[in-house]
Amino acid sequence: DIQMTQSPSSLSASVGDRVTITCRASQDIGIHLAWYQQKPGKLPNLLIYEASTLQSGVPSRVSGSGSGTDFTLTIASLKAEDVATYYCQKYNSPPLTFGGGTKVEVK
Amino acid sequence: QVQLQQSGPGLLKPSQTLSLTCAISGDSVSSKLATWNWIRQSPSRGLEWLGRTLYRSRWSVNYAPSVNGRITVTPDTSKNQFSLLLKSVTPEDTAVYYCAREKDWGGTDSWGQGTLVTVSS
Repeated sequence: DIQMTQSPSSLSASVGDRVTITCRASQDIGIHLAWYQQKPGKLPNLLIYEASTLQSGVPSRVSGSGSGTDFTLTIASLKAEDVATYYCQKYNSPPLTFGGGTKVEVK
Repeated sequence: QVQLQQSGPGLLKPSQTLSLTCAISGDSVSSKLATWNWIRQSPSRGLEWLGRTLYRSRWSVNYAPSVNGRITVTPDTSKNQFSLLLKSVTPEDTAVYYCAREKDWGGTDSWGQGTLVTVSS
């Protein structure tokens, strides 16, 4: 099965910073990758699908890129409300594996 | 607006069977534009996809290798819902369980409220 590896596992950045999270697949998954944000005590929220398509209602400071095995989630200018754990998920074929998550904190 | 409402017990003893149901409103379990999934989350295992059911020209199911052999996901078209059965539970199955809709073009955009399932003797 394809493994999904996220890095870093956690990061701390200042408001206004550019934040980048990476997700690597152990095999080619094309663009069949989604990103989620989960705030403490809340449900996961879909941010991006097809590697770079922004879900309706997601702010434009969030973007995704990549294809094949290497993917990136970028928050262009970090806000306090972005404190959360971010997950990638592959969906090209089952099992629909999640990455281990990246916890984002504000300094 | 799709809404998913989960129901089922939250406390089990080892070796029992976990049974959860997810009632769908605003969409159909028979939709050819969605799949209907079970996902769990625990501090030790993170987010873990367990399985799904989907209808295209016929019904299909897919399961995660980690639970294959113990899991059954079943649609119920008469009640527009789907269910999860997980047999022979152990304390390692303790987690918050979610039902969720995956859009046909990718991404899981609707989630049930979550059910904390605790397995303890």
